[in-house]
Amino acid sequence: KAGVTQTPRYLIKTRGQQVTLSCSPISGHRSVSWYQQTPGQGLQFLFEYFSETQRNKGNFPGRFSGRQFSNSRSEMNVSTLELGDSALYLCASSGNRGVTSDTQYFGPGTRLTVL
Amino acid sequence: GENVEQHPSTLSVQEGDSAVIKCTYSDSASNYFPWYKQELGKGPQLIIDIRSNVGEKKDQRIAVTLNKTAKHFSLHITETQPEDSAVYFCAATNDYKLSFGAGTTVTVRA
Repeated sequence: KAGVTQTPRYLIKTRGQQVTLSCSPISGHRSVSWYQQTPGQGLQFLFEYFSETQRNKGNFPGRFSGRQFSNSRSEMNVSTLELGDSALYLCASSGNRGVTSDTQYFGPGTRLTVL
Repeated sequence: GENVEQHPSTLSVQEGDSAVIKCTYSDSASNYFPWYKQELGKGPQLIIDIRSNVGEKKDQRIAVTLNKTAKHFSLHITETQPEDSAVYFCAATNDYKLSFGAGTTVTVRA
């Protein structure tokens, strides 16, 4: 079974631009969560989508948004990029029962650099 | 919200020796505790997990123990090998998101 895939793997943007990252979950998984990983803040939860609906949201500004499609693929968007948005963005997929019951499988991440 | 503390931040061990990483959590309602291993250029990979109704779980050279009263859990790696070198993260949750520790960089010296 194929794992979680994320595209692109690397991105370089400048301040003020916007960016869209893509995640394809494991086949059959309907929950997709996004995390931001930085050396200073570690791994932080952004949001979770389930059946095309945002089910949960972390403490990030409204510049961070996402969506999920009917095939469970998900995208996240960051508008008006700031230098502090430079990070590894990780996508994780899991089954239908939620994080405490279904293992979260992570993708390789998208490394975003904001100049 | 949940706060997870992880120690030590770095750990260097001789090949063949054991490695122990400890985590504490703040929310007594947390009931699921996974451990992830992250290698350079890769996403975190689940290596073992434990639920609150179990005190210990073992999988070959890896074991995890949970003390709910003290709100701490530990990862034990025995007979360490060079391929065990990586960053290890503990996490805890009782709801929709994982709260991660800051990570432990483990280096296995040949």
